[in-house]
Amino acid sequence: QKEVEQDPGPLSVPEGAIVSLNCTYSNSAFQYFMWYRQYSRKGPELLMYTYSSGNKEDGRFTAQVDKSSKYISLFIRDSQPSDSATYLCAMSPRGGGGNKLTFGTGTQLKVEL
Amino acid sequence: GAGVSQSPSNKVTEKGKDVELRCDPISGHTALYWYRQSLGQGLEFLIYFQGNSAPDKSGLPSDRFSAERTGGSVSTLTIQRTQQEDSAVYLCASRQGGLAETQYFGPGTRLLVL
Repeated sequence: QKEVEQDPGPLSVPEGAIVSLNCTYSNSAFQYFMWYRQYSRKGPELLMYTYSSGNKEDGRFTAQVDKSSKYISLFIRDSQPSDSATYLCAMSPRGGGGNKLTFGTGTQLKVEL
Repeated sequence: GAGVSQSPSNKVTEKGKDVELRCDPISGHTALYWYRQSLGQGLEFLIYFQGNSAPDKSGLPSDRFSAERTGGSVSTLTIQRTQQEDSAVYLCASRQGGLAETQYFGPGTRLLVL
């Protein structure tokens, strides 16, 4: 069993929809949680970063962490065709030096006109 | 000004050959990471550098894989005697260091071993 599980999709939604992306994990040592967006043939770029449990909002994006359930989510409001990409969750037991990341396999999202 | 750059962008090689992949991190970033992205596997950590030292090599899959970093800047990942299962996208990321958390990724090198 992988440490981080993520539904690969693909997930197809109409423009303007609310998108929910999720990951579950098994390692209770994870404290730092991230969401990356990866466009085709590009490197991942950081979207959201949270520490421990709680919510964080940035524009149309909201990240939620529920450590008791070992479950994290990314919500995208008013989705746009430009949001079409692969979304990767990542997590680490510590920040700063040596924070190698453990990634999910990524969920492919397509937002259609 | 750049972001993280990697070369070559694509590499096709024959089984058994050696390959070298290069990463140029963002100037001033002291931490550098190599990851491998295979279809259906997500990104797998390979090695982490702090300066020119590699305190964590735990992700290197075999002794055919090695990496070095010189001058606290450029890093090279070398795969000896390549196998077909080495085919993947190899991604490099750099981080400013200290308490900075964000890893900035390059575009990757797509390696195909025939």
